[in-house]
Amino acid sequence: EVQLAESGGGLVQPGRSLRLSCTTSGFNFGDYAISWFRQAPGKGLEWVGLIATKTYSETTVYAASVSGRFTISRDDSRTVANLQMNSLQTEDTAIYYCTRVKGSGWPVDYWGQGTLVTVSS
Amino acid sequence: DIVMTQSPDSLAVPLGERATINCKSSQSLLYSLNNKNYLVWHQQKPGQPPKVLISWASSREFGVPDRFSGSGSGTDFNLTISNLQAEDVAVYYCQQYYGIPWTFGQGTKVEIK
Repeated sequence: EVQLAESGGGLVQPGRSLRLSCTTSGFNFGDYAISWFRQAPGKGLEWVGLIATKTYSETTVYAASVSGRFTISRDDSRTVANLQMNSLQTEDTAIYYCTRVKGSGWPVDYWGQGTLVTVSS
Repeated sequence: DIVMTQSPDSLAVPLGERATINCKSSQSLLYSLNNKNYLVWHQQKPGQPPKVLISWASSREFGVPDRFSGSGSGTDFNLTISNLQAEDVAVYYCQQYYGIPWTFGQGTKVEIK
């Protein structure tokens, strides 16, 4: 069974950093890109970024709203992807989801359960 | 960025009836080299993460009931739920993966009348 589980969320002050992890199982992690999305309380879905597979040099792309502050990485040996979030702002408050993607030009096919990040003083 | 616009924002449909959601994109999502539309429909039930229902505009994911169907091409797409069931109460989002950044419609809330 394909599973993705986010962890690392919590309350953080503006300007601080937080690292989220996406722990996976049930599939060959190295064959899939991982994409992160977020959903502010009561709002719609927003794409955050994506990391490609090793075959595609683990290329990363980001939404303009997080580019330069957020970094996605992956560890194929541990089947984990991470989202490093720096210089957090109140508008980054959201549930963060990781998803599995076959590759560039392919759709998401599985979502994780999400982890809540609250940025507040 | 590709702008995705859904209509209506919400709709209430009697049990067993049909619900249709429209999604329009600001540019074509049809890739000419493979004749595929780069559009996915997600379902998000209250208090749950989203779930993929349909990809490539019309291909149902494994295990999705056949009362869910996707149609359309280019810039105009529909999600139809025939024979609406109580468990279909959710917010439905269209999303394009044709270009970066991936973008979503604002969501359509489906309720039982």
